[in-house]
Amino acid sequence: KNEVEQSPQNLTAQEGEFITINCSYSVGISALHWLQQHPGGGIVSLFMLSSGKKKHGRLIATINIQEKHSSLHITASHPRDSAVYICAVGDSNFGNEKLTFGTGTRLTIIP
Amino acid sequence: DTGVSQDPRHKITKRGQNVTFRCDPISEHNRLYWYRQTLGQGPEFLTYFQNEAQLEKSRLLSDRFSAERPKGSFSTLEIQRTEQGDSAMYLCASSLGIEGNTIYFGEGSWLTVV
Repeated sequence: KNEVEQSPQNLTAQEGEFITINCSYSVGISALHWLQQHPGGGIVSLFMLSSGKKKHGRLIATINIQEKHSSLHITASHPRDSAVYICAVGDSNFGNEKLTFGTGTRLTIIP
Repeated sequence: DTGVSQDPRHKITKRGQNVTFRCDPISEHNRLYWYRQTLGQGPEFLTYFQNEAQLEKSRLLSDRFSAERPKGSFSTLEIQRTEQGDSAMYLCASSLGIEGNTIYFGEGSWLTVV
C-alpha cells in the first residue's frame, strides 16, 4: 500500500469550476507539501503545511492531522491551472529530507 | 537568483555507458536532494546532502549510482553501466535546511537508455 494516496488520478473540468484534489497518508509526518508539475518536468512548490489551512491566490490547502488527510482546492479554475498536482509528505523522523510522494493528480481545465 | 539548474536536460545513451548529471542549487542553500521519477509515478527519494556530507541514501541507489557534492555547492549524480530500467527523470532540489523552509526543485534531467 502506498504511503501517500491521491484522488482522483485524473480530473477534467470546465473553466471556472471549483476543483478539489485529495491526499491521504498513512505515516506520521512533519509537514505536507503540495507541488505542481507542468509537462516537461519542472516542479513548483505550492504549499507546505503542518496544520490548518493556507491560501495563496486562488489556491487553498487544508490539512487534518488527526484524519491524516489534506485537500487542495482551486477556485475559479483556468486552463493555465492544467498540470499534475502532487502531494508529498515529510517523514516525522526525517523532516523534509526524505519526502514521500503521491503519484499525482492530472488536472485538465477545458476553456 | 536563477533557481535550481540541472544539466543536461535530456540525455540518450546506450545501455552500458556511463552518464553524469549536474545540479547547481540556489546559492545559499545547504541542503541538496536527488529524486528519480518514472513516467506516471511520483518522484522517489534517492539521496540528500547537508553541505558536502551525504547524509542519507535510498536503497534505490544501487552500487552503480554515486552522488557527490565536493565543495558543498553543485552536485553530480553518476550512473555507471546504465540499464534500460534507469530510464527516468532525475530531479534535483535544494533548501536552506531550516525547519519549515521551502524546497525548490530543478527542471529535471531526462535519461533514456536505449
